[in-house]
Amino acid sequence: KAGVTQTPRYLIKTRGQQVTLSCSPISGHRSVSWYQQTPGQGLQFLFEYFSETQRNKGNFPGRFSGRQFSNSRSEMNVSTLELGDSALYLCASEGTGHSPTGEAFFGQGTRLTVV
Amino acid sequence: AQSVAQPEDQVNVAEGNPLTVKCTYSVSGNPYLFWYVQYPNRGLQFLLKYITGDNLVKGSYGFEAEFNKSQTSFHLKKPSALVSDSALYFCAVRDTNAGKSTFGDGTTLTVKP
Repeated sequence: KAGVTQTPRYLIKTRGQQVTLSCSPISGHRSVSWYQQTPGQGLQFLFEYFSETQRNKGNFPGRFSGRQFSNSRSEMNVSTLELGDSALYLCASEGTGHSPTGEAFFGQGTRLTVV
Repeated sequence: AQSVAQPEDQVNVAEGNPLTVKCTYSVSGNPYLFWYVQYPNRGLQFLLKYITGDNLVKGSYGFEAEFNKSQTSFHLKKPSALVSDSALYFCAVRDTNAGKSTFGDGTTLTVKP
């Protein structure tokens, strides 16, 4: 079956702009989580959506937002981009139920560069 | 609150030697523990998980991990390392009530021929 698909793979934006990243989870998966990965901060949890509702949220400013559609596809938006937002953004999908025991399946990520 | 520590930024081993990548965790409830591997410019790939049962968990590519409740550890091991095992390894923990995983900072494993 198809894996987690993230688009675009690479993105270059200017400070102050906004950006929208997309994630299509594995078919049947209802949970989608977003992570920011940077060399200095490691893998940081942004938020998790389950059945179109934000279920968990990390410690990121309000410039970072997301949503999930009825088909479980998710988008992440970052407004007023800062240089420090340059990172690899990873999306992960999980399971078909409300269970914390399953492994996450990650997409290849979107590499965002802010100049 | 849950947390994960991977005390080593780097682990270097010779091909054919056993390898260990360390992980300790802290959770308020029962832990669910995971190991992932990341190759350059790729997302994370699942290796193995501990939910309950045997303390020794076997996973992909010959890796295994040992859950030690008293030491709150979940070290990743492999009896004989391959050069192709060179990658970034992440340990993650999730407690019974949490919907999110907390990842360690990662350990870069380098296997030299």
